[in-house]
Amino acid sequence: GAVVSQHPSRVICKSGTSVKIECRSLDFQATTMFWYRQFPKQSLMLMATSNEGSKATYEQGVEKDKFLINHASLTLSTLTVTSAHPEDSSFYICSARRTGEVQPQHFGDGTRLSIL
Amino acid sequence: DAKTTQPNSMESNEEEPVHLPCNHSTISGTDYIHWYRQLPSQGPEYVIHGLTSNVNNRMASLAIAEDRKSSTLILHRATLRDAAVYYCILRDNYGQNFVFGPGTRLSVLP
Repeated sequence: GAVVSQHPSRVICKSGTSVKIECRSLDFQATTMFWYRQFPKQSLMLMATSNEGSKATYEQGVEKDKFLINHASLTLSTLTVTSAHPEDSSFYICSARRTGEVQPQHFGDGTRLSIL
Repeated sequence: DAKTTQPNSMESNEEEPVHLPCNHSTISGTDYIHWYRQLPSQGPEYVIHGLTSNVNNRMASLAIAEDRKSSTLILHRATLRDAAVYYCILRDNYGQNFVFGPGTRLSVLP
């Protein structure tokens, strides 16, 4: 159990396009989901914490108007990269924590975003 | 969350045991020790976690020092599919997210 699904797994688009990435907890409810970004040969960096029914909490240096997060249900959070530019090209990974459970955290397989 | 220190890289031969160390000298009494691994182009995968006692599961064993200032992830028989970056992370029950360090890149030689 505890499967987290991300969609799409890969997206290539032109500069200026907005891209939406979905993160679903398939077999559990997740009050809290997290969005990470990972550049090549680097570790994961937390971008924001997404809480169901409330506004996301963004890490310092992450533009909330650039990276829109919506967590409308207990099984779905979305990250929209607005007006994407080549520097936004990265590997985006979400994770979810089962409601009522603190340890561990379950990760999706990531979305590779390439902006041309 | 307290910081962890891991070697940048390690090598192992296939079918041999691997001991991946992690130092966490500033660990607090409520910090759990987590291990995740990340295969190329995938999200992190949960391996094991523990608090004080050694832990075993189907993937690995976690040996925790008596003073909890270090721990070791043990893969009993490395396979080529175990080649990944292994992250040792501390988090207490009040912590929100995981803070990832650079991890240890494990190479498994055939």
